[in-house]
Amino acid sequence: NAGVTQTPKFQVLKTGQSMTLQCAQDMNHEYMSWYRQDPGMGLRLIHYSVGAGITDQGEVPNGYNVSRSTTEDFPLRLLSAAPSQTSVYFCASSPRGVHEQFFGPGTRLTVL
Amino acid sequence: DQQVKQNSPSLSVQEGRISILNCDYTNSMFDYFLWYKKYPAEGPTFLISISSIKDKNEDGRFTVFLNKSAKHLSLHIVPSQPGDSAVYFCAAKVQGGSEKLVFGKGTKLTVNP
Repeated sequence: NAGVTQTPKFQVLKTGQSMTLQCAQDMNHEYMSWYRQDPGMGLRLIHYSVGAGITDQGEVPNGYNVSRSTTEDFPLRLLSAAPSQTSVYFCASSPRGVHEQFFGPGTRLTVL
Repeated sequence: DQQVKQNSPSLSVQEGRISILNCDYTNSMFDYFLWYKKYPAEGPTFLISISSIKDKNEDGRFTVFLNKSAKHLSLHIVPSQPGDSAVYFCAAKVQGGSEKLVFGKGTKLTVNP
């Protein structure tokens, strides 16, 4: 198993540009989530999904959209990037009823 | 309002000694607690967890203690090794509902040879 994969590893955007961060898992996990990590802020939940077709907002959802059309994929969309969205983004997944989440390697995003 | 607090941004210990990382929480509805370890440029990896119905869980060199009355948990690493140098995050899950986790800000542990 590849586990949780994220692409790209690094990305630089200009303010106002849009992009999609990709996340995929091959473990048939129902639960998937997106976090951002900022210096001194820990990990903050952006959006999460408990299964295909079901998504919900986390702690810091503004400026981000998600969809979950398949069990495997959970892309995160930035519609109009802002410098405040400069961060490291982590995707995570877990099976139903299991509290321990498996994290991907992260995407480092810089918005100029 | 920070529900999970790790008040020590950093901790430095000598190899072979005990490392104690602390975590406090404010939400009485948390029923499951986890510790994650994170190396630079990598994703967090699960280390150890504890249910609120227990007060101790042990896995090799790692032990987590939970004091519900004080809303406090701690991670003990004995003996500490240089490879343990990383950022450690405490996380908590609310009883029932989804698998959402609330994370603390992390403590950077440095184990000196």
